Amino acid sequence: KQEVTQIPAALSVPEGENLVLNCSFTDSAIYNLQWFRQDPGKGLTSLLLIQSSQREQTSGRLNASLDKSSGRSTLYIAASQPGDSATYLCAGAGSWGKLQFGAGTQVVVTP
Amino acid sequence: NAGVTQTPKFQVLKTGQSMTLQCAQDMNHEYMSWYRQDPGMGLRLIHYSVGAGITDQGEVPNGYNVSRSTTEDFPLRLLSAAPSQTSVYFCASSSSQGAGELFFGEGSRLTVL
Repeated sequence: KQEVTQIPAALSVPEGENLVLNCSFTDSAIYNLQWFRQDPGKGLTSLLLIQSSQREQTSGRLNASLDKSSGRSTLYIAASQPGDSATYLCAGAGSWGKLQFGAGTQVVVTP
Repeated sequence: NAGVTQTPKFQVLKTGQSMTLQCAQDMNHEYMSWYRQDPGMGLRLIHYSVGAGITDQGEVPNGYNVSRSTTEDFPLRLLSAAPSQTSVYFCASSSSQGAGELFFGEGSRLTVL
């Protein structure tokens, strides 16, 4: 069974600093990995989807990398803003197609 | 474009009552799923469907039933509510299981007294 871990559980940074969020997974035969954002009391919004054949995906200030050999994905958010404050979750899809979610990293960006 | 719509947003039940959480998507997605989110436990898959007429169990299926009579709708039924089912429930859909971007509804917060 795929297990997904996100460390740290919480992170606080000053505005303007770059954010680095980590996601580890146990099954290197990963189908894809997705990063999501969740605001309090809301559903999850997909940020980036990296297929197993890709090494990274970029969208605006967001960049996510995937290293299957080391079982790691990293989400970079450049020049953080207070509006980036949220919980960020990663989820890996194994060969059986089901997503396994990490517990998330709660991010606070202080003005 | 509505995406994934869940109703109700909030519900309070007494132990032993039954209810149905509704989920509808307008993206013609084949794959639909139900998750529950509990503090410290992340999201756990309850049931999923890869198309109309096809459903399967996820990680925590006990106490829940699903059916998929149309591509658009995927209701989740609680047969006899228990306090352990107090949680936030999310419906999600994708063009294909595990391969496409997953779209979530806003969630349904259920409290069982």
